[in-house]
Amino acid sequence: AQSVAQPEDQVNVAEGNPLTVKCTYSVSGNPYLFWYVQYPNRGLQFLLKYITGDNLVKGSYGFEAEFNKSQTSFHLKKPSALVSDSALYFCAVRDMGNQGGKLIFGQGTELSVKP
Amino acid sequence: GAGVSQSPSNKVTEKGKDVELRCDPISGHTALYWYRQSLGQGLEFLIYFQGNSAPDKSGLPSDRFSAERTGGSVSTLTIQRTQQEDSAVYLCASSPGGDRYGYTFGSGTRLTVV
Repeated sequence: AQSVAQPEDQVNVAEGNPLTVKCTYSVSGNPYLFWYVQYPNRGLQFLLKYITGDNLVKGSYGFEAEFNKSQTSFHLKKPSALVSDSALYFCAVRDMGNQGGKLIFGQGTELSVKP
Repeated sequence: GAGVSQSPSNKVTEKGKDVELRCDPISGHTALYWYRQSLGQGLEFLIYFQGNSAPDKSGLPSDRFSAERTGGSVSTLTIQRTQQEDSAVYLCASSPGGDRYGYTFGSGTRLTVV
């Protein structure tokens, strides 16, 4: 069965520093991977996805993620964090089971960026 | 519509009552999903509709939960005989269908069972 893990409940970063939010996955076959962000009291917003092609995927708000097949990882990165990046981040993998389609989400990582 | 619309945004109900939560997906999106997000928890899959196919109900936690999607558009999630552990934010999402697409989420319905 497909699964995804976010090993850190919380990540703290100083504004201007690079940030990384970790995600590892377990799938049979080629993974379809996604990152979403949830700002306080709001719904989830799509950031980026990896389907195929270049291992480095660029997304919204200056975020990018690197697909690493050998390490089964899809870490979210940003070169310079902003206070406004503080939010809850979810990694997800597409369930390619019989009925396909649905995303399986990690537990989420709370990102806190301090001035 | 421009986005996924959910109503009500907040619902407080007494234990044992039935509730209905509504989701209006983006026009033309064939896939519709319901998730539940409890305080401090991740997103728990509930049910998935794709076109005219039989829904994937594998995530529904008990037979008190049911959902339907009428005319391939609006969906209603019904919780019967609500319990306090049903308190959560219920999120609906839609997508064009197909594995390559991500979801567009609604803002959710916050359900509180007292």
